[in-house]
Amino acid sequence: DTEVTQTPKHLVMGMTNKKSLKCEQHMGHRAMYWYKQKAKKPPELMFVYSYEKLSINESVPSRFSPECPNSSLLNLHLHALQPEDSALYLCASSQEGRGTGNEKLFFGSGTQLSVL
Amino acid sequence: GQNIDQPTEMTATEGAIVQINCTYQTSGFNGLFWYQQHAGEAPTFLSYNVLDGLEEKGRFSSFLSRSKGYSYLLLKELQMKDSASYLCAVKDSNYQLIWGAGTKLIIKP
Repeated sequence: DTEVTQTPKHLVMGMTNKKSLKCEQHMGHRAMYWYKQKAKKPPELMFVYSYEKLSINESVPSRFSPECPNSSLLNLHLHALQPEDSALYLCASSQEGRGTGNEKLFFGSGTQLSVL
Repeated sequence: GQNIDQPTEMTATEGAIVQINCTYQTSGFNGLFWYQQHAGEAPTFLSYNVLDGLEEKGRFSSFLSRSKGYSYLLLKELQMKDSASYLCAVKDSNYQLIWGAGTKLIIKP
């Protein structure tokens, strides 16, 4: 199994809603990532969990709250988002997350989020 | 600042060869990746280069010149399914991935 599964694929929410994005992998990877990608822009790193501990938080607003219940699962809780937060949210995993050179990322297909 | 440049869009013909260039200016270098992303799908790993030279993998090859801060992805015998975005990404001295905006490749019959 070399898949990273993300749900839902599409999400439309209002600015007062609370929703969660979910990500799951069963490759035994110990690092999991959240990226945000706007159209025709590079992916922007939001959070990194390594061995279930938050290791990188790239100055993301508090309306985005990550959670890593175990090494296979990663959630992103959303609350009081703004229309400019509309984007593709990608989850990824890698073997160790310790910054070795050739460690590659395995991505999920993303959640296309629209905030109205 | 750190920067990765690649063309926004390219068009090629089925059966032909296309070269997608990537130039980078980063603080340090710990390898360069190419990923393929079909519309609405996950980016998937294509290649990794850390030493100068050409890495060949089937129809796809990737080249790196560290002194020039330059890489290219070469796709041969193009197929319609190769229509996708191709993302170049470099690991800097802190092993953080710096991403290019991607090149959208359109294949015409």
